[in-house]
Amino acid sequence: DAKTTQPTSMDCAEGRAANLPCNHSTISGNEYVYWYRQIHSQGPQYIIHGLKNNETNEMASLIITEDRKSSTLILPHATLRDTAVYYCIVRVVGETSGSRLTFGEGTQLTVNP
Amino acid sequence: DTAVSQTPKYLVTQMGNDKSIKCEQNLGHDTMYWYKQDSKKFLKIMFSYNNKELIINETVPNRFSPKSPDKAHLNLHINSLELGDSAVYFCASSLVEKLFFGSGTQLSVL
Repeated sequence: DAKTTQPTSMDCAEGRAANLPCNHSTISGNEYVYWYRQIHSQGPQYIIHGLKNNETNEMASLIITEDRKSSTLILPHATLRDTAVYYCIVRVVGETSGSRLTFGEGTQLTVNP
Repeated sequence: DTAVSQTPKYLVTQMGNDKSIKCEQNLGHDTMYWYKQDSKKFLKIMFSYNNKELIINETVPNRFSPKSPDKAHLNLHINSLELGDSAVYFCASSLVEKLFFGSGTQLSVL
C-alpha cells in the first residue's frame, strides 16, 4: 500500500472549515484514499473514501487532486466534537485478503472555541 | 444499539495470567478484525476472520489466539500475559472496505 504523509497537528476555530491535507505521491491507479478519525478514548470512525472524483457525505468532503498524489479532507463547519486524530490511508480495494488498513500517525486536529 | 461491542472495557491483570476479550457485531458483516493500539498510539492489525475463517495473521505471538464461533463473534484469548501486552485492543468488522470499530478494551498487565 502507498505511504501517506500528514501534518502532525492542526488547529481550527469552531465554526470554520477544517482542511486536512494528505500526500500520497506513490499511490497506484487501483488504490483508494480513505479517511478515518479517532476521538480520544474511542475506536476509529470511518469518514469518507474516494478513488479520483471528489466525494461528499454528511460528515465531510474529500478533494483528490487530478494527479491523485494528494488529497484534502474538508470539515465544512468544525465543532468542538471534531477534535480528534485524523488518519489518511491508501488501500487497494477488492482484495479477498481482507481490509489490512495500515494506520499511520495521523493529524491531531484541535478545534478551538 | 451498539454495532460492534467488546467486553470488558477495562482489564487489569497480573503477568502470567490468561485472559479473554469478547467481541460481537450486529451489522451482519462477514469479516471481523482485532487491532492493537500501543502507548505510542500506533494502530496495528493483528488478525482478520472472514466468515469464521482466519485470513490475516500478522506477526503476533502465538500466545494470542483468536476464536470465531460464528461470523458475528470474534474473541481474543491471551495466554501468559506479559507487560508488553498492555495496550488498547480494538475489535472491528467490515462490509467491503469500510471498517466499524468497537470502543476498545484497555488491557493493563501489572
